[in-house]
Amino acid sequence: DTEVTQTPKHLVMGMTNKKSLKCEQHMGHRAMYWYKQKAKKPPELMFVYSYEKLSINESVPSRFSPECPNSSLLNLHLHALQPEDSALYLCASSQPTGELFFGEGSRLTVL
Amino acid sequence: GESVGLHLPTLSVQEGDNSIINCAYSNSASDYFIWYKQESGKGPQFIIDIRSNMDKRQGQRVTVLLNKTVKHLSLQIAATQPGDSAVYFCAETGNRDDKIIFGKGTRLHILP
Repeated sequence: DTEVTQTPKHLVMGMTNKKSLKCEQHMGHRAMYWYKQKAKKPPELMFVYSYEKLSINESVPSRFSPECPNSSLLNLHLHALQPEDSALYLCASSQPTGELFFGEGSRLTVL
Repeated sequence: GESVGLHLPTLSVQEGDNSIINCAYSNSASDYFIWYKQESGKGPQFIIDIRSNMDKRQGQRVTVLLNKTVKHLSLQIAATQPGDSAVYFCAETGNRDDKIIFGKGTRLHILP
């Protein structure tokens, strides 16, 4: 299994809603990532988990809250988002200093 | 500071010709470089990588060249096909901190 699975594929939420994005990989990778990608822009790193511990937070606003329940799962909890947070949210996993394997992304629209 | 960029936002190539996509980086501490392909509506897909102790690496129809002297990376695609239409990103990481940073991207457009 060489896949990173993200759910949901599409999400529409209001600014007062609480929702979560989910990511799963079964490749035994020890690092998992959240990236945010706006249209016609490169992916921007948000968070990195290494061995289930948060190792990098790229100064992301607290309305985004990551969680790594176990080595195969990564969540991104969303609360009180703004319309400018609308983007494609990409999850990835990797072995140490190795290539990233990306999921297909969750396209988020904040109304 | 750390930055990874690309010289051209769009590259148009005749089908069957070779494509060359360029990338400049500024962090001399970077030691691992990756090229990704992203098709519309999909996540980035790994193409090829190279470590700083190499200056060339070849894959199937693709070659990556690394010039550490001028901090330049390029991706060569041989015999470009319609399926190669996508946005191509270079990415870099260094200092062994799992921080993989993407460049701006180049859209490759294939002419019939």
